[in-house]
Amino acid sequence: NAGVTQTPKFQVLKTGQSMTLQCAQDMNHEYMSWYRQDPGMGLRLIHYSVGAGITDQGEVPNGYNVSRSTTEDFPLRLLSAAPSQTSVYFCASRYLGTDYGYTFGSGTRLTVV
Amino acid sequence: TQLLEQSPQFLSIQEGENLTVYCNSSSVFSSLQWYRQEPGEGPVLLVTVVTGGEVKKLKRLTFQFGDARKDSSLHITAAQPGDTGLYLCAGLNSGGSNYKLTFGKGTLLTVNP
Repeated sequence: NAGVTQTPKFQVLKTGQSMTLQCAQDMNHEYMSWYRQDPGMGLRLIHYSVGAGITDQGEVPNGYNVSRSTTEDFPLRLLSAAPSQTSVYFCASRYLGTDYGYTFGSGTRLTVV
Repeated sequence: TQLLEQSPQFLSIQEGENLTVYCNSSSVFSSLQWYRQEPGEGPVLLVTVVTGGEVKKLKRLTFQFGDARKDSSLHITAAQPGDTGLYLCAGLNSGGSNYKLTFGKGTLLTVNP
């Protein structure tokens, strides 16, 4: 089925460990983004990309890196995990333009101990 | 930073009741989107409104974009338990880069049978 695929679904890390959250979409969307969702804070933008080779920072980029080598893939790297990065992470994609909404992945629940 | 305020934050009603959820900002948006999120899943797009004063209907859900494109409302008629979920509004910036969506913190709706 067409959509946004995120892996893994759940992950537990120890403080200081690194990992990559995977995101892939098969809808040829130009725009891809990563959000984190925390209770009482809503969805906050971490990084986004408007096309292959182009990335930019969102609202809360510290501690995270991204790259966009292809249209389809947009991995999120945690460099040195901290307990403050415990959250639910969502990847989302859409066509550029005002009329288009996001297609979200089903999320990755990350716990850093 | 453009902010979207959603109200109420929580809403618990009985099946068959009507309700309205509000999304307000002091900023102008190119478009405004509404999403519904169920536990353990990513948000799902319900509607996009683009023109000031626009009204869109999706079965028992009615969405309205304010004339000045600063606010929006979602009205549900005869709510059903299947309407339970987190309702999120998101605005697309009207000036400069139109890539980033700003999300409100959501309204958590519970419809009791």
